Amino acid sequence: GQQVMQIPQYQHVQEGEDFTTYCNSSTTLSNIQWYKQRPGGHPVFLIQLVKSGEVKKQKRLTFQFGEAKKNSSLHITATQTTDVGTYFCAGNNDYKLSFGAGTTVTVRA
Amino acid sequence: AAGVIQSPRHLIKEKRETATLKCYPIPRHDTVYWYQQGPGQDPQFLISFYEKMQSDKGSIPDRFSAQQFSDYHSELNMSSLELGDSALYFCASSKGGQGETQYFGPGTRLLVL
Repeated sequence: GQQVMQIPQYQHVQEGEDFTTYCNSSTTLSNIQWYKQRPGGHPVFLIQLVKSGEVKKQKRLTFQFGEAKKNSSLHITATQTTDVGTYFCAGNNDYKLSFGAGTTVTVRA
Repeated sequence: AAGVIQSPRHLIKEKRETATLKCYPIPRHDTVYWYQQGPGQDPQFLISFYEKMQSDKGSIPDRFSAQQFSDYHSELNMSSLELGDSALYFCASSKGGQGETQYFGPGTRLLVL
């Protein structure tokens, strides 16, 4: 079955630094979605990427979908304490959404 | 804007008891999904419904069942509860079936003693 691998599992970042989390799928995806879950909260939809090579930006967050539609990345610049949480990618293939294990981000001031 | 509503938010049960979790999707959303999330884990898909019919089934135990009603709300029924069923249960909804953006509810935290 479809598997979505996400790395790193944990990311400890100095405030102001940049970091990237990566997702890889074993199969070609129709789209990929990104969610953020704050500690004690629920997953909140961030963005959906559909087209091959697509790049979308939300303020300090840059999302990219690979040319083969099998991988994606989320890059955050100038990390802030408000970025703390777990970022999940979720790959959509054949109308099934498979979540990656998530990247849990902590920030040191 | 209205969000997904789940009730109860917290639930404590004993082994072998039953539990019913409720989910009210965002208005005009026709698809409901149930997920189970253990501590430090990603959400695991259990089951989904589209237009009141089961549309997909994931890792839902046979002890669990679910349905979607005419008003599109959904209920997850859990019987013969086990300690391992302790988890956060999320409901999500979307419009237009699977593949569309899913909006998650706040979750029900179930503790089985």
